[in-house]
Amino acid sequence: DTAVSQTPKYLVTQMGNDKSIKCEQNLGHDTMYWYKQDSKKFLKIMFSYNNKELIINETVPNRFSPKSPDKAHLNLHINSLELGDSAVYFCASSDGQGYNSPLHFGNGTRLTVT
Amino acid sequence: ILNVEQSPQSLHVQEGDSTNFTCSFPSSNFYALHWYRWETAKSPEALFVMTLNGDEKKKGRISATLNTKEGYSYLYIKGSQPEDSATYLCARNSGGGADGLTFGKGTHLIIQP
Repeated sequence: DTAVSQTPKYLVTQMGNDKSIKCEQNLGHDTMYWYKQDSKKFLKIMFSYNNKELIINETVPNRFSPKSPDKAHLNLHINSLELGDSAVYFCASSDGQGYNSPLHFGNGTRLTVT
Repeated sequence: ILNVEQSPQSLHVQEGDSTNFTCSFPSSNFYALHWYRWETAKSPEALFVMTLNGDEKKKGRISATLNTKEGYSYLYIKGSQPEDSATYLCARNSGGGADGLTFGKGTHLIIQP
């Protein structure tokens, strides 16, 4: 019973391609997130999505776009991939909008752009 | 302090010993402090979420304290076991709600049998 699942686990692609990473949660949570683990190993927020409200980290290039077909899914689309996009991307969810709600993470997607 | 900082970066502890490590964060605009445990090849798992100054939380042999006025939290592990080996992340929520968390770089703990 995987609570937050991401696919694929590994993604190798060439520069300039467009790719998507899927995320699904079966916890009934209201808020979903995308985090990027950067080269210095920090987890940094990219997007959060709650009740059709999207909050975007202003440092994220507009080549990255989240798509949420329903409350249980938040997919990440990346256009025109660049070498610097290589990283591990984590999806997460939390219950409600409360700041005291712990995050539940997926297992990550390792993206390699060649 | 401008960011969330954790120390030490890595730590080797003998099995059976107790240990602790620190998370420092900006004390302004504080909403919550989270601790996560991250084992290799797995995803981070929540340990504690603390919101009030002086909060203390405990889960088995692991406990945490919070000082929001001076901007620090300690995580304690009593009687370390090999299964405690992991990276321990702390994260601060300063905006509330869906604004997300600002994570530290983690303390990598290795328990030596």
